[in-house]
Amino acid sequence: KQEVTQIPAALSVPEGENLVLNCSFTDSAIYNLQWFRQDPGKGLTSLLLIQSSQREQTSGRLNASLDKSSGRSTLYIAASQPGDSATYLCAERAGNNRKLIWGLGTSLAVNP
Amino acid sequence: DAGVTQSPTHLIKTRGQHVTLRCSPISGHKSVSWYQQVLGQGPQFIFQYYEKEERGRGNFPDRFSARQFPNYSSELNVNALLLGDSALYLCASSPSGRGGTDTQYFGPGTRLTVL
Repeated sequence: KQEVTQIPAALSVPEGENLVLNCSFTDSAIYNLQWFRQDPGKGLTSLLLIQSSQREQTSGRLNASLDKSSGRSTLYIAASQPGDSATYLCAERAGNNRKLIWGLGTSLAVNP
Repeated sequence: DAGVTQSPTHLIKTRGQHVTLRCSPISGHKSVSWYQQVLGQGPQFIFQYYEKEERGRGNFPDRFSARQFPNYSSELNVNALLLGDSALYLCASSPSGRGGTDTQYFGPGTRLTVL
């Protein structure tokens, strides 16, 4: 069964800290992995997409890595800000039908 | 340029009723996918349409159906509503039906409450 696991489920940090969110996936036949941000009651905003042939992607203070051999992806947020507070979800696209398999998300609170 | 739009934003229905949710993709995008997100859970894939044809279907009962129109907009229909259908319904568009390389862009969602 295809599964995506995100650890931790919740995280609270003071403003300015660098932090890492983890995502593990079981299907090694991965096409890509995408990180999303979701604010309470809102839709999803795509942050970074890493193709299976890539090792990492960067956008501003965000850096996402992909290690297919270990089935892991990390999202690194540098110099966190209160505006980064949201739920971060990772989703793997894999398998014959190439549908997105989602984690449950990490709820991040950055305190001023 | 407008992103993915969905209507309505909120909807309250009673058990047994029918609901239609609508989605307009980003201009130029030909693929639309629908997801159900129950509170506290990740999104669950319902359907994908590309060029008006169904490309994928998740593990949802036949009460759920969808279609895509020539302008690439889409409707999700749910019949005989159950309390458990209460969720945020998300629509995502992508340029093509190639799931391996496309980024999906999500709309704000429709919050459905079934009483």
